[in-house]
Amino acid sequence: DADVTQTPRNRITKTGKRIMLECSQTKGHDRMYWYRQDPGLGLRLIYYSFDVKDINKGEISDGYSVSRQAQAKFSLSLESAIPNQTALYFCATSDPLRSTDTQYFGPGTRLTVL
Amino acid sequence: SQKIEQNSEALNIQEGKTATLTCNYTNYSPAYLQWYRQDPGRGPVFLLLIRENEKEKRKERLKVTFDTTLKQSLFHITASQPADSATYLCALARTGGGNKLTFGTGTQLKVEL
Repeated sequence: DADVTQTPRNRITKTGKRIMLECSQTKGHDRMYWYRQDPGLGLRLIYYSFDVKDINKGEISDGYSVSRQAQAKFSLSLESAIPNQTALYFCATSDPLRSTDTQYFGPGTRLTVL
Repeated sequence: SQKIEQNSEALNIQEGKTATLTCNYTNYSPAYLQWYRQDPGRGPVFLLLIRENEKEKRKERLKVTFDTTLKQSLFHITASQPADSATYLCALARTGGGNKLTFGTGTQLKVEL
């Protein structure tokens, strides 16, 4: 089984709809991240959480919110989706106890906002 | 402003040759730099990390160099194979940045028979 899973894998929605993307991990890591990837812009950090009670904005948090329901679950919400939020979204985890702090990514969610 | 630059043009090389990918940065004080591989439709996968006080790291056919004076990292794949074809991303963690990574846009590598 995959260590970091994301649901759904693909989603098409309409402008103005509320969307939730979910991420679960079995790696036992405290740190979780949400990124979006756009052609030519690379991966950009939306939100990150260093433990269940710690939520932080990344470089492009406007229009997004998150919820850390448990150590293993981190959800990303688009309160009112707009077309420029069409992108590939990745969840990632890392273990701060390891000196390398390597990030482990999920398979991604392809979101299309019409 | 802080920038991480990777060559946006695809790199095409012949099987067996050494592929060299470049990552340049400006206005960063990096604690360490990581390289990831990303295949189409999949999440990035960690390959190597090099710290700011290290010059070179190796792992099997992979080699990373880090020159903080030139503000540049080079990523080498020796004896390249078609299976090495992918997009390669560099990512920097700033000193005092809490281990948050900033990613480059990636360079696509194509290894031809």
